[in-house]
Amino acid sequence: EAGVAQSPRYKIIEKRQSVAFWCNPISGHATLYWYQQILGQGPKLLIQFQNNGVVDDSQLPKDRFSAERLKGVDSTLKIQPAKLEDSAVYLCASSLVLSFSYNEQFFGPGTRLTVL
Amino acid sequence: TQLLEQSPQFLSIQEGENLTVYCNSSSVFSSLQWYRQEPGEGPVLLVTVVTGGEVKKLKRLTFQFGDARKDSSLHITAAQPGDTGLYLCAGFSRLSGGTSYGKLTFGQGTILTVHP
Repeated sequence: EAGVAQSPRYKIIEKRQSVAFWCNPISGHATLYWYQQILGQGPKLLIQFQNNGVVDDSQLPKDRFSAERLKGVDSTLKIQPAKLEDSAVYLCASSLVLSFSYNEQFFGPGTRLTVL
Repeated sequence: TQLLEQSPQFLSIQEGENLTVYCNSSSVFSSLQWYRQEPGEGPVLLVTVVTGGEVKKLKRLTFQFGDARKDSSLHITAAQPGDTGLYLCAGFSRLSGGTSYGKLTFGQGTILTVHP
């Protein structure tokens, strides 16, 4: 079974530029998550989708970050314009179901973003 | 905001030693998960504990969920160099607003290095 795919794996941009990350979840997984992991910290949830609907985006900086999952499969996370503090690894994860008790999330390898 | 504090942040030990990593919070979680993350990869789920007081064993790893479901520990017996990595605890809790969905909150992680 193929895992969660992400691209690109690395990206270097200058501040105030735009960048987009792509994620393809495991086939059949209805729930998709985007996390931000700053060096030395644990992942922080940015947004989660159930099919193509947003379930939670309370920690997404909406003035500069946006995400979509138009057909309920793959997803794109965009930053416009980027700031120095956006330098981090952006992880995409997917799960079969979404509940309030627990689920198993499968993570992609992440995209490492460096903002200069 | 629910926070998970992990300790220690760094652990450097010799092969064969035992170690314990702690994960503490003032909040109650529906379940608690432990992940392991290697450089350049996403976190991989090791275990989920759901019931207060629950103990689970995975070969040389023992996981315990506190009686009040606010804390957890990971104990490794006879550590090996292959255990080297970032260990993350993550608590699952219901989203606010009466939804039936939940989200994961990660601790900051413990970087474990096991020397041969």
